[in-house]
Amino acid sequence: DIQMTQSPSSLSASVGDRVTITCQASQDIRNSLHWYQQKPGKAPNLLICDATNLETGVPPRFSGSGSGTEFTFTISSLQPEDIATYYCQQSDNLPFTFGPGTKVDIK
Amino acid sequence: QVQLVQSGAEVKKPGSSVKVSCTASGGSIGSHMVNWVRQAPGQGLEWMGRIIPLFGTVNYAQKFQGRVTITADESTTTVYMEMSSLRFEDTAVYYCARERSVVIAFDIWGQGTMVTVSS
Repeated sequence: DIQMTQSPSSLSASVGDRVTITCQASQDIRNSLHWYQQKPGKAPNLLICDATNLETGVPPRFSGSGSGTEFTFTISSLQPEDIATYYCQQSDNLPFTFGPGTKVDIK
Repeated sequence: QVQLVQSGAEVKKPGSSVKVSCTASGGSIGSHMVNWVRQAPGQGLEWMGRIIPLFGTVNYAQKFQGRVTITADESTTTVYMEMSSLRFEDTAVYYCARERSVVIAFDIWGQGTMVTVSS
């Protein structure tokens, strides 16, 4: 199985800060990497697919980059509504696997 | 816009079985893969398996092979996940999620079903 790691596991930042989360795969997954936002008590919501493609309706302050084994998720200017846990997920190989998540809150 | 609506919360005894449903409203999911993902309290997301209702093709995570059965009804509007031999550690929220056709990402999720295993 492909192992996904994320760092940091949690972070606290101020409104307007730039926030960066990294995701690493245990083997080459090309660009088959997706990012989800999950707010407490809610189902995950797809933000970015195939490493860089922003979903329709998702604010442009969210972005993704990377390929192969190293990926980055960025919030260019953190907003109060961005408080959530963010997960990466690979779909290159079955079984699909998720990173452990990064909890983002406001300082 | 398709929505996925799941059945309600369940409380089960260890060793029993549970069957959770996921029904599409506002459209069809027959030709899409439907995945099941679970989340234990305070924990991350764990992929369990998937089905393409139109063909009945199923894939399971090895961890759940033999204990989880994913099926779809003939109308291909409802998908089911049945788990047997329940253990305390199966207590979790179970989500169904539609897999987009071209890009294998989960673009539509059900609201989740809480399954509590308690004696």
